[in-house]
Order: sequence, then structure tokens, then C-alpha cells
Amino acid sequence: QSALTQPRSVSGSPGQSVTISCTGTSSDIGIYNYVSWYQQHPGKAPKLMIYDVTKRPSGVPDRFSGSKSDNAASLTISGLQADDEADYYCCSHAATWVFGGGTKLTVL
Amino acid sequence: EVQLVESGGGLVQPGGSLRLSCAASGFTFSTYAISWVRQAPGKGLEWVSSVSADGGSTYYADSVKGRFTVSRDNSKNTLYLQINGLRAEDTAVYYCAKRPPIGQFHFEYWGLGTLVTVSP
Repeated sequence: QSALTQPRSVSGSPGQSVTISCTGTSSDIGIYNYVSWYQQHPGKAPKLMIYDVTKRPSGVPDRFSGSKSDNAASLTISGLQADDEADYYCCSHAATWVFGGGTKLTVL
Repeated sequence: EVQLVESGGGLVQPGGSLRLSCAASGFTFSTYAISWVRQAPGKGLEWVSSVSADGGSTYYADSVKGRFTVSRDNSKNTLYLQINGLRAEDTAVYYCAKRPPIGQFHFEYWGLGTLVTVSP
């Protein structure tokens, strides 16, 4: 499986909203609703933020939301905060797992 | 509290071998599938391997198939990754990640990782 496609970087000011896209194919994102998103601060382990396209684990603020349309998924972060600055990775499961290349979010 | 602690990384010459371990606590280890995910320096995440709760089913990325072997000892709450024929491109931080109950396909808890460096 080829890696999912994410923008290398996005940015936004505190309080604004940003959306990170994740493009796959009909063989991964397009098949099942098993898209997840992970946040990774520098030098830290990844943290699950969204699973099954739209679900948030306990403790993740509702400022984080996910969606999917056909072969693409998106992560939207509203009310940006300084601590949201991190790398974000999408992931899709079909037969195995494939990650996106990661998007660096900068909070201006 | 769920904890996953990886160990066994280090500096290895090309062609060498290593066995990584992931010690788990805070949950019933024998009832959850566990995966290995790696991250090369400055690069993104790459799924490497998964093993079912009972160890009977294993899965590998094409990039490691035939060189990596995943196993688990449920009596010791420990996951292993045997890595043979190491290559420069295997240099990465290796994370173990716990999946939720069967039928769910994301990684809900991650360890802090162990660094494998392949260099002459």
C-alpha cells in the first residue's frame, strides 16, 4: 500500500480553525470507515485523536473533529490553541494499515 | 493505567540482528492485539507488524516481510520483534501500540519507543 497523501504543513492563528486533508484510494480510505488521526509533539509518542473517521477518545477536546468523503478524510481543529502545534498523521486500515506522510501544524 | 515500555534498541551493523521487547501493564495483555509502528528520523509513521491477542496470527508490512518476526509471551505480558538482516533504512524509533478490542482498527495507546540505528 502507498502512503496516504497529506499536506506537508498548515498554519492558523489562535482561535481560528484549520483542516488537514488526507487522500487515499478506493483500496484504503474508500473501503471502510477505519480512519484514525494521531497527534505527535516533537520527541513524543503519537496520541490518538480521532478514530473510525469521526469518534473522539475520552479526553480529546471536541475542538477536534473528523470527516470522510469517498477516498479522502479530513481532520478539523477549531479554536486553535498554542498546544495544538504538532505533527498530525492520518491512518487507514484495510487489509493492513497505512499512514499519511504527516502534516506539521503551526499556530502563528 | 495502560503502560507500554519498549526496550532492546541500539546501534547495530548492517546485516545484524536485534530483538525488541515491549513490556505491557495496566490491562489484560492476553486479550488485545498489539502492533509495531516505526518512525525513521525526521520522517513519518510506518506500520510494521501486528500480532493477534493469542499470538496465532501475525501480519507484516511488505518492507519487512521475511526479515522481521513478531511474537508475544502472554505469561510475561511482553511483545517481541525479532529483526534480522538489518538495513540502513530500518533505522527508526520503534513503537509498540495497543489496539482496542477485536473489530476495531486503530492504535489507542503507544509506548515511548526504542531507537534502532543501523550503521557500519
